[in-house]
Amino acid sequence: DADVTQTPRNRITKTGKRIMLECSQTKGHDRMYWYRQDPGLGLRLIYYSFDVKDINKGEISDGYSVSRQAQAKFSLSLESAIPNQTALYFCATSDPGLGDGNQPQHFGDGTRLSIL
Amino acid sequence: RKEVEQDPGPFNVPEGATVAFNCTYSNSASQSFFWYRQDCRKEPKLLMSVYSSGNEDGRFTAQLNRASQYISLLIRDSKLSDSATYLCVVNLNSSASKIIFGSGTRLSIRP
Repeated sequence: DADVTQTPRNRITKTGKRIMLECSQTKGHDRMYWYRQDPGLGLRLIYYSFDVKDINKGEISDGYSVSRQAQAKFSLSLESAIPNQTALYFCATSDPGLGDGNQPQHFGDGTRLSIL
Repeated sequence: RKEVEQDPGPFNVPEGATVAFNCTYSNSASQSFFWYRQDCRKEPKLLMSVYSSGNEDGRFTAQLNRASQYISLLIRDSKLSDSATYLCVVNLNSSASKIIFGSGTRLSIRP
């Protein structure tokens, strides 16, 4: 079983629809992240959470919201999807370890989202 | 100027060749550095962390030059399976809240 699982893997939907992308992990990591990836651009951080009661905006949070339901679950919502939110979305986790910021991230398989 | 810049490539080299990529970063206070590998339509996977003294993992060598603000990745004796996009990742602070991904360098190894 994958350590970081994203659902759905693919989704096609229409402008204006509400969409939720889900992420669950079995790694026991406190830190979880949502990124989007667009062709020719690096991954960009949408939101991140360092524990269940901690939610922080990333670089491109407008149009998105998140919920950290449990240590193992972090969901991303698009309240009213628009075509420029078409992208590949990744969830990631990390363990702060002994040196904050020095631990690598572990990614889910990604969700390919198309907004028509 | 982008915070993290990579040559997008593609680099097309024969099997067995040595290939090197650089990645420059703009923030001199950057804390930690990584190379990730991403196969087409797949998730990024950690290839190696980059340490101040440089580090090696088999055919892969990573180096950090803080004075010139770049990191490098050297791949020796390249294999067909090394074909992928290589992402440079820079963490700008100690809390991991400012992690910047480069847009990647595409590498294609030909037989």
